[in-house]
Amino acid sequence: GDSVTQMEGPVTLSEEAFLTINCTYTATGYPSLFWYVQYPGEGLQLLLKATKADDKGSNKGFEATYRKETTSFHLEKGSVQVSDSAVYFCALSGSMKTSYDKVIFGPGTSLSVIP
Amino acid sequence: EAGVVQSPRYKIIEKKQPVAFWCNPISGHNTLYWYLQNLGQGPELLIRYENEEAVDDSQLPKDRFSAERLKGVDSTLKIQPAELGDSAVYLCASSSLAGVSNEQFFGPGTRLTVL
Repeated sequence: GDSVTQMEGPVTLSEEAFLTINCTYTATGYPSLFWYVQYPGEGLQLLLKATKADDKGSNKGFEATYRKETTSFHLEKGSVQVSDSAVYFCALSGSMKTSYDKVIFGPGTSLSVIP
Repeated sequence: EAGVVQSPRYKIIEKKQPVAFWCNPISGHNTLYWYLQNLGQGPELLIRYENEEAVDDSQLPKDRFSAERLKGVDSTLKIQPAELGDSAVYLCASSSLAGVSNEQFFGPGTRLTVL
């Protein structure tokens, strides 16, 4: 079945460092790809999404490009802040096996940014 | 606009006891989801409702779990009897459109501890 793999955490960075969180997926067809963020004590929030190959999703300084050839959707940010400390989930939906209403999540990557 | 509301936020019970979680979705959202999130893992869908109809409950352990969404608004998830392995965070989410790559809005979750 469909699945999402993320780099293992926790990731610890200094403020203003460059962030990359790797995400790869296995799915048939052309799923939509998402990054969700979960701040401490809160529910998941959609951070960004891309619905077709080569699309770039962006929000709050974060970016991710849908790479069909490498089945990847890596999350990047040029300069992280302490407030970016959270757990980040890569996810997909809308493949041939996973309907648009069902989202498959990766295991999450915990990010801690220190001053 | 109020977000997805869940209660209680925390629940501690002894094994074999019953427990119930409540969710009130965002006003106007006809699709409601219950997810299970184990520690260090991504959310996994338990059940999805379109209005009052459960359209995907394939991952719901029906021997001990039940859910209802009377009147197609708020929803209750119940476990009876609870087992040690049920300790997890139970997330509720809602969305406004089915069949498209739509955003799901998550509540803060209920953290269940079974002793």
